[in-house]
Amino acid sequence: DAGITQSPRHKVTETGTPVTLRCHQTENHRYMYWYRQDPGHGLRLIHYSYGVKDTDKGEVSDGYSVSRSKTEDFLLTLESATSSQTSVYFCAISEDRAGGYTFGSGTRLTVV
Amino acid sequence: AQSVTQPDIHITVSEGASLELRCNYSYGATPYLFWYVQSPGQGLQLLLKYFSGDTLVQGIKGFEAEFKRSQSSFNLRKPSVHWSDAAEYFCAVGAASSNTGKLIFGQGTTLQVKP
Repeated sequence: DAGITQSPRHKVTETGTPVTLRCHQTENHRYMYWYRQDPGHGLRLIHYSYGVKDTDKGEVSDGYSVSRSKTEDFLLTLESATSSQTSVYFCAISEDRAGGYTFGSGTRLTVV
Repeated sequence: AQSVTQPDIHITVSEGASLELRCNYSYGATPYLFWYVQSPGQGLQLLLKYFSGDTLVQGIKGFEAEFKRSQSSFNLRKPSVHWSDAAEYFCAVGAASSNTGKLIFGQGTTLQVKP
């Protein structure tokens, strides 16, 4: 959907470098989420946000941090990238806690 | 803890045949249930959702799903599959009592459609 964009779409980075992925929304939705998608694992929640400066950890948060300083942007940072963080990362937004998600198009990250 | 199981990793059906994708969940309280579809190289699109009320829910693209509390299942069905339905399908569960809206996803089922 045009209301949510992820950047970059593709990135190759070296082991040990920090990486920041951006999720930007124009829907003014309260809830934002970061998931990673890996074969055989489906989507796993990394971090989520339920308001500006309100964030919490998901099931696979080790090695990741997030920030949300304004409603429209939710940043995911890999503090020191490792090969195990090679994945496709999806951002999702939701208007309320029961509405279901709208997903971004994903960021394919390769750590070499 | 919440969990979602999609028992079938891959399913192949012939075009025009009926389809049923299975989803079982584990959750102690009232769940919210969702099905999403992902075409190759794309993001996920919501097919349908169940919150309460009628246990048979209709979605987009001719899909429907039935919530069976006694079996902890939320299976996705379509009476006649089209070649364009080939994709990966994800079942997801959320907690009705949650104030975070976070969802737990199954591992996904890849649907292949034979001509």
